[in-house]
Amino acid sequence: EVQLVESGGGLVQPGRSLRLSCTASGFTFGDYAMSWFRRAPGKGLEWVGFIRSKPFGETSEYAASVKGRFSISRDDSTNIAYLQMNSLKTEDTAVYYCGRDGPFGTGFFDFWGLGTLVTVSS
Amino acid sequence: SYVLTQPPSVSVAPGQTARMTCGGDNIGRKDAHWYQQKAGQAPVLVVYEDSNRPSGIPGRFSGSNSGNTATLTISGVEAGDEADYYCQVWETSSDHPVIFGGGTRLTVL
Repeated sequence: EVQLVESGGGLVQPGRSLRLSCTASGFTFGDYAMSWFRRAPGKGLEWVGFIRSKPFGETSEYAASVKGRFSISRDDSTNIAYLQMNSLKTEDTAVYYCGRDGPFGTGFFDFWGLGTLVTVSS
Repeated sequence: SYVLTQPPSVSVAPGQTARMTCGGDNIGRKDAHWYQQKAGQAPVLVVYEDSNRPSGIPGRFSGSNSGNTATLTISGVEAGDEADYYCQVWETSSDHPVIFGGGTRLTVL
């Protein structure tokens, strides 16, 4: 059974950093790209970024709203994807989800975690 | 950048058919995907590549995509279908490839 579990959320002051983790199980983690998303209070889903699998260079792409502040990495030996969030702003307050990308080229996300809440406030 | 437009809300009585639309410029030329998110839960993929259902998704859920509109249809709506529904496409050759619609809140009367 595919499972994704996010952790690392919490209350953080503006300008500070936070690192989220997404621990995966039930599939060969290294074969899949992994994505991060968020849903701010009262808003819809927003894509944050993704990281490709090792055969595709482990390169990453980001939404304009977080580019230069957030970075995604992965550790295939422990089946964890990370979201490093720097220079946090109040508007980054949201529930953050990780998701597994569907097979290469399909463009959808077939499994998601329950999410972890990040609150940016002084 | 590419924009997907969804109506904010749709309401139907139990047993009726709910149709939720997703508008986008020539969206029929792209693959549209749909997610269901119930309150406090993870999003769930309910339709992928316009009209395919993942394993475990009831046959009541179906999708279509043509022209400028993709549609998610839920037949025989049940109380448990009450949720937010999001359409999504992958915009190739874009620095922002993953596009979501704003979401439609389905209310079961």
